Amino acid sequence: AQSVTQPDIHITVSEGASLELRCNYSYGATPYLFWYVQSPGQGLQLLLKYFSGDTLVQGIKGFEAEFKRSQSSFNLRKPSVHWSDAAEYFCAVAGVNNDMRFGAGTRLTVKP
Amino acid sequence: NAGVTQTPKFQVLKTGQSMTLQCAQDMNHNSMYWYRQDPGMGLRLIYYSASEGTTDKGEVPNGYNVSRLNKREFSLRLESAAPSQTSVYFCASSQIAKNIQYFGAGTRLSVL
Repeated sequence: AQSVTQPDIHITVSEGASLELRCNYSYGATPYLFWYVQSPGQGLQLLLKYFSGDTLVQGIKGFEAEFKRSQSSFNLRKPSVHWSDAAEYFCAVAGVNNDMRFGAGTRLTVKP
Repeated sequence: NAGVTQTPKFQVLKTGQSMTLQCAQDMNHNSMYWYRQDPGMGLRLIYYSASEGTTDKGEVPNGYNVSRLNKREFSLRLESAAPSQTSVYFCASSQIAKNIQYFGAGTRLSVL
C-alpha cells in the first residue's frame, strides 16, 4: 500500500523567511500527490496537487511544490512566510484502490 | 455554499454506547471518505465510498461501520464505543476517487 512520510514534526521560521516542508512517498506507479493545510479547529484545505505534467506546481497562498520521482519526494515551498501561514500541513498520496494516505503532518510556527 | 456538512460537531459517549456520525455533501460528488485524526498520526482513513453503492475499508476500519445512504450522504457508525475511539472525525468528498477532497469541519468525539 502507498505511504507518506513527513520527516519534520514541527518547524519554526521567522516571518519573511523561506520555507520548505518535506514529503516522501512510497507508491509503485505514478502518484497523485496533494498538500493540504489545516488551521486550528478547522478541516483541511487543498493547497496544491500533482497529477502529471510539469513537475513544479503552483498552489494557493503563494505555495509551490516540486515532484521529484528519483527521490520519491514532493516538497512544499514558499519564498516568504507570513504570520498567517502558521498551521499544520499534510502531504497525501492517492492509492491504486481509490483510497488516500496522509502523512503525520508538519506543524509550522512563524516567529515575528 | 454548504460543501460538506458533518453532524454533530461535538459528542461525549460512555464506553459501550453507540452513535452515528452524519455527513452530507451538496457538490454532487461521487466519492466520500471518513477519517480520524489523532495527535502525531495525521489523518487515517477509516472507510471510503468510491461511488454510490460501494464501500471499502481503509487503514483503520475495526470498530466502525458505514452506510452510503445515497449520493449525498455517508454515515459512520460506532456500534460499541471504546475510549480508543476518542478522536476528531472528518468526512470528505471528491468528484471522483483520487481527486481533490473537500473536508467537513469535523466531529470531536470523546469516549469516557
